[in-house]
This record gives sequence, structure tokens and C-alpha cells, in this order.
Amino acid sequence: QQPVQSPQAVILREGEDAVINCSSSKALYSVHWYRQKHGEAPVFLMILLKGGEQKGHEKISASFNEKKQQSSLYLTASQLSYSGTYFCGTERRGGGADGLTFGKGTHLIIQP
Amino acid sequence: NAGVTQTPKFRVLKTGQSMTLLCAQDMNHEYMYWYRQDPGMGLRLIHYSVGEGTTAKGEVPDGYNVSRLKKQNFLLGLESAAPSQTSVYFCASSWGQGARYTFGSGTRLTVV
Repeated sequence: QQPVQSPQAVILREGEDAVINCSSSKALYSVHWYRQKHGEAPVFLMILLKGGEQKGHEKISASFNEKKQQSSLYLTASQLSYSGTYFCGTERRGGGADGLTFGKGTHLIIQP
Repeated sequence: NAGVTQTPKFRVLKTGQSMTLLCAQDMNHEYMYWYRQDPGMGLRLIHYSVGEGTTAKGEVPDGYNVSRLKKQNFLLGLESAAPSQTSVYFCASSWGQGARYTFGSGTRLTVV
């Protein structure tokens, strides 16, 4: 079962903030966040691990609520370069490294 | 440059033809993955490998086979291509659970 992302799409003005949410029905070991620009490969942004550890990008923050199996990605003072599709990927608890399950993505458009 | 290399980048096949997609990584990662990406569906796991000589099925394995004879290479085969296999295919590698994925640049496959 894919995690559910919301919203599906966001249009912002440069400098505005955005929050993207990711929710899973499974007990999770970690949540990953990637950004993909059109025609390119997904690029790593952030990992949030069970227990609270975060690894990733300096200018982007995220949270992971282990009780609710939910994660949120926070983009502050957005720049034009933030445009793209954001995917969360989840690793289930007890699954080892059997692959990330990705959400369907959130399209973010930043306008000048 | 260190990373994941996929070949070919583009391919057009006729229904029933076969082909092999090659993924090579030079980061000494144990884990490798094949995903397909279709519009509005996110990335879905086809097969994965947790080490040289091992493979396992992901979410959408039907119609595909894989092999990992060498640690650095992960091959994805289509024995008899079907139009439903028209997609963009991404390979990824990682150190393991809780570690970031590095993606290749993708292969755009069209089956006519």
C-alpha cells in the first residue's frame, strides 16, 4: 500500500512557505523525501528515522510522528529552484532493506 | 563521478521483443533496486537485490526478470515486451535500511 501524500499540487509565490504531508497505514522504520524535476531522476532531500534521528538537507526541515505514521516536509521561504514533484518513500518496520514504497507525489510550482 | 549509471537512456521496442536494461553503481552499495514510474503513480518497485547473487520480487514483478551476477551491476530483463511496459525505469542503490537512495538518470522505454 502506497503512502498517501497531500496536497496533490501546490502553487506558491517565491518566498512563501509550503508543507507537504505523507501518511502510511504501516508501522514505519523510516520516511525518505525526494524531489524530482521534469525528465530527471529523483534527488535525495531528507531521511527521518524511527527514534527521531534526521539526516539530510540543511535548508529543508521535516518531522516524523511515529505514533501516527505521518511525516511532514517543510519548505520555508521558497525559491524558484524548489519547483518540482516531491515524493515521500517509506520503509516498513521489520522489512529490512526491501525497498522504499513511494507516494504518488506532490507537484510544487513556485512563481516569481 | 561516483553514482548510478543506466543504459540505454531511450529505447523503442515492438511488442514481443526482448531487451535488457543495465544498471551499474560504483559506490560499493550492497542494495540495488529497479523501479518503474508511470504518470500519476509515483515510483513502484519491480525487483530488488540485497547483495551479489540475490534477487527478490517487489510490488510489480510480472513480466520482468533480474540478475545480479556482480555486486556493481543489476540487470532488468523484459522477455516479451508488452505495451503496458511502456514506462520510465529507474535504478537505485543504497547501503541498506535507513540509508539514502542514489538514483540513475532513467531509461525511457516505449513498446509499440
